[in-house]
Amino acid sequence: NAGVTQTPKFQVLKTGQSMTLQCAQDMNHNSMYWYRQDPGMGLRLIYYSASEGTTDKGEVPNGYNVSRLNKREFSLRLESAAPSQTSVYFCASGAVGSKPQHFGDGTRLSIL
Amino acid sequence: ILNVEQSPQSLHVQEGDSTNFTCSFPSSNFYALHWYRWETAKSPEALFVMTLNGDEKKKGRISATLNTKEGYSYLYIKGSQPEDSATYLCASDQKVTFGTGTKLQVIP
Repeated sequence: NAGVTQTPKFQVLKTGQSMTLQCAQDMNHNSMYWYRQDPGMGLRLIYYSASEGTTDKGEVPNGYNVSRLNKREFSLRLESAAPSQTSVYFCASGAVGSKPQHFGDGTRLSIL
Repeated sequence: ILNVEQSPQSLHVQEGDSTNFTCSFPSSNFYALHWYRWETAKSPEALFVMTLNGDEKKKGRISATLNTKEGYSYLYIKGSQPEDSATYLCASDQKVTFGTGTKLQVIP
């Protein structure tokens, strides 16, 4: 039962470097989401994808891009990493209407 | 209410005590309200999804109620145990906006 799989689990970047966080789900969910978690801020939505081929901005999209590659995969890209993007990133799927979200284990990203 | 708000932010209770906390959400265009349990260093796990006004859901010692007309939900824990220590998040279905959570610490 894989559920939602995120890679990598940890990453350290230098300011200005780029990287892509990967997320895949095997539950045939239409919706997928990227959140960041910062101390005292809870979970904030970065981008979401209601279905394959569509993406929409969430609460904090600046500095990020996303790609819904297919129904299973939803990637998050940092083009030019900044220290303010140091955070724990969670991918989730599901939550259309009354369905709950299923979360990945998170990616801990530090930008120096 | 424009956003999802939770109170209190944190709570310390003694083992065996019962406790409750609140989630307030925009009542217009309501569709569903989700509760999650989030242990440190893990990912959030779904507890309940609530859709109907007056709904009450129960899972062991944890239960939740919903009032969609006034825009609030209560989560209750009966006879708290140390393993209940976690952050409890609620989320409305409007882009699944999360509250900042209530961090519960149960003291043995």
